[in-house]
Amino acid sequence: ILNVEQSPQSLHVQEGDSTNFTCSFPSSNFYALHWYRWETAKSPEALFVMTLNGDEKKKGRISATLNTKEGYSYLYIKGSQPEDSATYLCASLGNQGGKLIFGQGTELSVKP
Amino acid sequence: DAGVIQSPRHEVTEMGQEVTLRCKPISGHDYLFWYRQTMMRGLELLIYFNNNVPIDDSGMPEDRFSAKMPNASFSTLKIQPSEPRDSAVYFCASSSAGPIASSYEQYFGPGTRLTVT
Repeated sequence: ILNVEQSPQSLHVQEGDSTNFTCSFPSSNFYALHWYRWETAKSPEALFVMTLNGDEKKKGRISATLNTKEGYSYLYIKGSQPEDSATYLCASLGNQGGKLIFGQGTELSVKP
Repeated sequence: DAGVIQSPRHEVTEMGQEVTLRCKPISGHDYLFWYRQTMMRGLELLIYFNNNVPIDDSGMPEDRFSAKMPNASFSTLKIQPSEPRDSAVYFCASSSAGPIASSYEQYFGPGTRLTVT
């Protein structure tokens, strides 16, 4: 069973702050790393899917990097806005099936 | 597209009753997933289907849980008999691409909040 861990569990920042959080995953049998954004009372929405070591993806003010050799991914948010408040989930996909293993998430709160 | 549709959105039932959760995936998506979300365990995969065929049901907690996909546009997750520890939010998700595709992102439905008293 893969263990996917995220840190910190929660984060409180002020509007305009830049922030980042970490997803750790087993580097053996790795195939892909997913990031999802989950707003309260809604359902998770896909942000990024990354497969290659050194991958860097960007969507607006949000970006992510991937290190498959050491088994971690960072998610960055530049100039946080209140609408960025959500739980950010990462999920790892091994190379032996289609089963995503999710971390517990980082809950981000951005205060105006 | 309306996205993934789940029903009911909320279900309250008594212990021992049968519960059926329903899901309609996005049209054209060949993969369908059932997840359960709890405070203790987070989001965990119960079962997933490809082209209506169950591929991995290792996450199904016990025999009280069963899932079917009779056609490409409909799936059910059934709990019989239900127990208070089954209380959780159950999500259905679908995907157009398989695990080896770089576009393998899942689209989640709104979830069904199940309460078993």
